Amino acid sequence: NAGVTQTPKFQVLKTGQSMTLQCAQDMNHEYMSWYRQDPGMGLRLIHYSVGAGITDQGEVPNGYNVSRSTTEDFPLRLLSAAPSQTSVYFCASSYSTGTNEKLFFGSGTQLSVL
Amino acid sequence: AQKITQTQPGMFVQEKEAVTLDCTYDTSDPSYGLFWYKQPSSGEMIFLIYQGSYDQQNATEGRYSLNFQKARKSANLVISASQLGDSAMYFCAMRDITFTGNQFYFGTGTSLTVIP
Repeated sequence: NAGVTQTPKFQVLKTGQSMTLQCAQDMNHEYMSWYRQDPGMGLRLIHYSVGAGITDQGEVPNGYNVSRSTTEDFPLRLLSAAPSQTSVYFCASSYSTGTNEKLFFGSGTQLSVL
Repeated sequence: AQKITQTQPGMFVQEKEAVTLDCTYDTSDPSYGLFWYKQPSSGEMIFLIYQGSYDQQNATEGRYSLNFQKARKSANLVISASQLGDSAMYFCAMRDITFTGNQFYFGTGTSLTVIP
């Protein structure tokens, strides 16, 4: 079982560059989300989606775009990278949107913006 | 206001002893879910245990149990018979559905070190 697959695992960008973090899940999950993890801050929600064609902002959406054209994929786009976006990024999904549904996480992407 | 508060940045426990990791939460919704995740040094997020807001009994999963005190809005994780492999970061989380969205909120984590 692949579960939630994130690519790349590591990335170094220069300030102003753009890139897309890929996330795919093969569990037919309805809900997908992106988090960033910074030391001492826990995980903070960037964007999430409750189904194909539906996205919404989380706690820290500025500087990031998402779209969900299929159930399986939920890419995260950095339009113009800034050093403040240096972080570890996690994609996560759940079967449905119920409060009892746990999140399944990808293995993370370590991003450095110079 | 913080939705999830973990007040213990770091904890130490002797091997084979029990340890309690604290978590308090803030919500006015009657329906919510509480979760604990473990993050070892390798970085992956591992689901440990879940407690629903309407559950009458505390959740248990092997050596993990959740001490759920609804009136105090606390959801402490108890690890019994600690093992060296329990050394990791532990995150408390709440899933909440409001008119503003469907979101998980995570605490800042507690770093647990098990001493041999």
